[in-house]
Amino acid sequence: DTAVSQTPKYLVTQMGNDKSIKCEQNLGHDTMYWYKQDSKKFLKIMFSYNNKELIINETVPNRFSPKSPDKAHLNLHINSLELGDSAVYFCASSQVSGPSAFFGQGTRLTVV
Amino acid sequence: AQSVAQPEDQVNVAEGNPLTVKCTYSVSGNPYLFWYVQYPNRGLQFLLKYITGDNLVKGSYGFEAEFNKSQTSFHLKKPSALVSDSALYFCAVRDLAFYNQGGKLIFGQGTELSVKP
Repeated sequence: DTAVSQTPKYLVTQMGNDKSIKCEQNLGHDTMYWYKQDSKKFLKIMFSYNNKELIINETVPNRFSPKSPDKAHLNLHINSLELGDSAVYFCASSQVSGPSAFFGQGTRLTVV
Repeated sequence: AQSVAQPEDQVNVAEGNPLTVKCTYSVSGNPYLFWYVQYPNRGLQFLLKYITGDNLVKGSYGFEAEFNKSQTSFHLKKPSALVSDSALYFCAVRDLAFYNQGGKLIFGQGTELSVKP
């Protein structure tokens, strides 16, 4: 019954690898997001998609490529991982007409 | 540009005492304001929101927040703190750019609440 679910919860990988994080929401929301939480716990938006269309791309390196196969899914693919990519990545969703966003449990990415 | 600020990195409270976690905002137009809580190794959970209406907003787990337009503040409060309230609290404002396509949340830097027995 999880509203916004992300997999995996933890991801440890070596520099230079390519990895993906998956997100699914069962709330029927139109908009999905990726947020990044850095080591100082600061949260910042990376991307948003509305009905599978990219709306917001917040100056994220092009090694990060979101993909939305349908309204309920937003995946994040990261190429050539760097140490600085280590962070917690949160997926979220919201209804366009509703102001609140619902967040997943987060994916803790560690690049070694 | 929309922004929120949480002036305290950490708030320490004794169990049973009232707690306040501060948030101030800077927006053009009417603000949509939120509080979220993050428990250790868990995702963000929605606590409450202010869109319009009564300045005192009630939310989950006994929390409430008071919207004060003249002071541009949206402080989170609880009359009697519990040890289980210890967590990281985020104030956020809805950026109205791209509002019709979902917009985005702009978060404060977070306040670590520690409630001691």
